[in-house]
Amino acid sequence: GAVVSQHPSWVICKSGTSVKIECRSLDFQATTMFWYRQFPKQSLMLMATSNEGSKATYEQGVEKDKFLINHASLTLSTLTVTSAHPEDSSFYICSARDGRTVNTEAFFGQGTRLTVV
Amino acid sequence: GEDVEQSLFLSVREGDSSVINCTYTDSSSTYLYWYKQEPGAGLQLLTYIFSNMDMKQDQRLTVLLNKKDKHLSLRIADTQTGDSAIYFCAESTYGNKLVFGAGTILRVKS
Repeated sequence: GAVVSQHPSWVICKSGTSVKIECRSLDFQATTMFWYRQFPKQSLMLMATSNEGSKATYEQGVEKDKFLINHASLTLSTLTVTSAHPEDSSFYICSARDGRTVNTEAFFGQGTRLTVV
Repeated sequence: GEDVEQSLFLSVREGDSSVINCTYTDSSSTYLYWYKQEPGAGLQLLTYIFSNMDMKQDQRLTVLLNKKDKHLSLRIADTQTGDSAIYFCAESTYGNKLVFGAGTILRVKS
């Protein structure tokens, strides 16, 4: 299947700093990318959907000014956690699909474990 | 709204069959998926079924869909210790966002 690369795999940052997570589609054009957040022993919760060249659509309860999403190209989307706090510590996973074809599969990155200390 | 529910834990012996169940509420779901997540890793798509199908078999995996009851199951034949993981069912409508269940922890005892 197609490959989605997420970087970094894990990051530790100080409270108050910002962290950027990258999601790249390596062998297909990702017109749509999804960002999920997963707390320990819980399911994935969709944070936002981004279409290339457009502003991201955030799910209810997700602060768009805190979780900045940029999807400037067909192969790269970034999630920036601004002014991170310990409660932002979580596992963040992106997925990407080529939305030009109906019902194409969404491929997942390997996830980024963020720890804010 | 959409909701997906699944049992939280399943323990089986190596060599036995595992059956993981899932229910969903969105009658307009077009695709239903099963994902596997190993510790600290992302999600791996195991299989999926289109909503107009009743069954799909792929090697050791059998997916059954009862659309009337909105019930989905994943059967793993000859379960191995390497199958130990968290299994998520998910549904989507025409390629839109996936809605995930909470995940079922499968523990395989040798």
